[in-house]
Amino acid sequence: ETGVTQSPTHLIKTRGQQVTLRCSSQSGHNTVSWYQQALGQGPQFIFQYYREEENGRGNFPPRFSGLQFPNYSSELNVNALELDDSALYLCASSLAGDVYGYTFGSGTRLTVV
Amino acid sequence: AQSVTQLGSHVSVSEGALVLLRCNYSSSVPPYLFWYVQYPNQGLQLLLKYTSAATLVKGINGFEAEFKKSETSFHLTKPSAHMSDAAEYFCAVTLNQGGKLIFGQGTELSVKP
Repeated sequence: ETGVTQSPTHLIKTRGQQVTLRCSSQSGHNTVSWYQQALGQGPQFIFQYYREEENGRGNFPPRFSGLQFPNYSSELNVNALELDDSALYLCASSLAGDVYGYTFGSGTRLTVV
Repeated sequence: AQSVTQLGSHVSVSEGALVLLRCNYSSSVPPYLFWYVQYPNQGLQLLLKYTSAATLVKGINGFEAEFKKSETSFHLTKPSAHMSDAAEYFCAVTLNQGGKLIFGQGTELSVKP
C-alpha cells in the first residue's frame, strides 16, 4: 500500500501571496487532516476533511481553506501569506477519522519571505 | 480542555543509558494517548498508542510507555538508548477516535557515544 504523499516538499513564497499544498492519502483512507508545525513547536490541527466536507477546524483564520476530492486527495490553500505562516505543513490520512490509524506524510516546508 | 505538557525540551543521554521522556496530560475524560517520533526533515511516525487495553504499552524500536491515571502521565521509556534514537519526540492526546490530535511541544533526544 502506498503511504501519504505531499507536494511540493519545499516552497518559498512572498508575503501577501497565495499558496496551495497537496496531499495524496494512503490507499483505503477516506479522511485527511492538516497540521501546521512551526519551528520548534508541536503540530497544530488546522482542519479535517471527510467525504469532501470540512469536519472539524482548529484555531486558524478563514484564509486557511481546504478541499477534498472524490479520490480522497486534498489541498490546503493559504491566502494573503504572512511571515508567521512559515512552517512545516503535515497531512495525515485515516479511515473515517480513526486517529489510531493516522498516517502522516513527510510534509511541505513553507517559507514566507 | 485537553492539553499535553512535555517536561524538558531537550534530553541528552549516553548510548546504552535509560531513556525517559516525560508527558503529562490534562483531560476531563479518559483520553487516547500517543507518542510520535520525528526525524529531521521527515513527518511523524507512530511509536505507540494507549488504547485502554493495558496500562503498559509496548511500541516499536524497544520503546514503551506507562499510562498512570492517578498522575495523568504517559512517560516514554527505553532501557538502552541507541544512536539512531536521536530525534524529536511528541506526545499527543485526543478525546475521541475521530478527533484532532493535540500535541505537546516536543522533546529533542540527543544520544552521546
